[in-house]
Amino acid sequence: QSVLTQPPSVSAAPGQKVTISCSGSSSNIGNSYVSWYQQLPGTAPKLLMYENNKRPSGIPDRFSGSKSGTSATLGITGLQTGDEADYYCGTWDSSLSVWVFGGGTKLTV
Amino acid sequence: EVQLVESGGGLVQPGGSLRLSCAASGFTYSAHAMTWVRQAPGKGLEWVSAITDNSGAIYSADSVKGRFTISRDNSKNTLYLQMNGLTTGDTAVYYCARGARTKLDYWGQGTLVTVSS
Repeated sequence: QSVLTQPPSVSAAPGQKVTISCSGSSSNIGNSYVSWYQQLPGTAPKLLMYENNKRPSGIPDRFSGSKSGTSATLGITGLQTGDEADYYCGTWDSSLSVWVFGGGTKLTV
Repeated sequence: EVQLVESGGGLVQPGGSLRLSCAASGFTYSAHAMTWVRQAPGKGLEWVSAITDNSGAIYSADSVKGRFTISRDNSKNTLYLQMNGLTTGDTAVYYCARGARTKLDYWGQGTLVTVSS
């Protein structure tokens, strides 16, 4: 049971838009920056979004992030088959002094 | 170019020990906190442990406290994870990542640890 709650899977057609939610509590998402990670099949995770809504260099603006209260959302527009991956949210839990991940969401395009 | 290369994984019997290493290059290693994350086969990411830039603070998951020890050698640009008392539940790919409390911005390719008799 993960501290952060994500839907196990989402799907949408190529070119469409999808959102992935990440729900936590006041000690983690409510008190810290949220980051998102993309894990393509058979590869290591990669930072996709940090400080709630900032994209690292090289990440297209089709990807967006937001945070409100104790929840965060990753948005992907103009879906491509190459976006099929597992997506994880993560943040620091200040009460437990540990990093916490969501359980991951498998995106099918 | 930032590079993180893990090594030291392998097959070990339950109750055994293993030390993982993560060699860092392409950035000022001593200026960054570092983290270990693991992923059991077919499962999600699990944070293991983190260490600040100067080793002044160490954080660990309850699941590994008292068994795993994170450390670093800034003169060698290397991060370590000493794993003792291994159980089958520790079987996973272990990743090192740069960063700790705000983001994990670079990840290594991972090293597989298999605990089995």
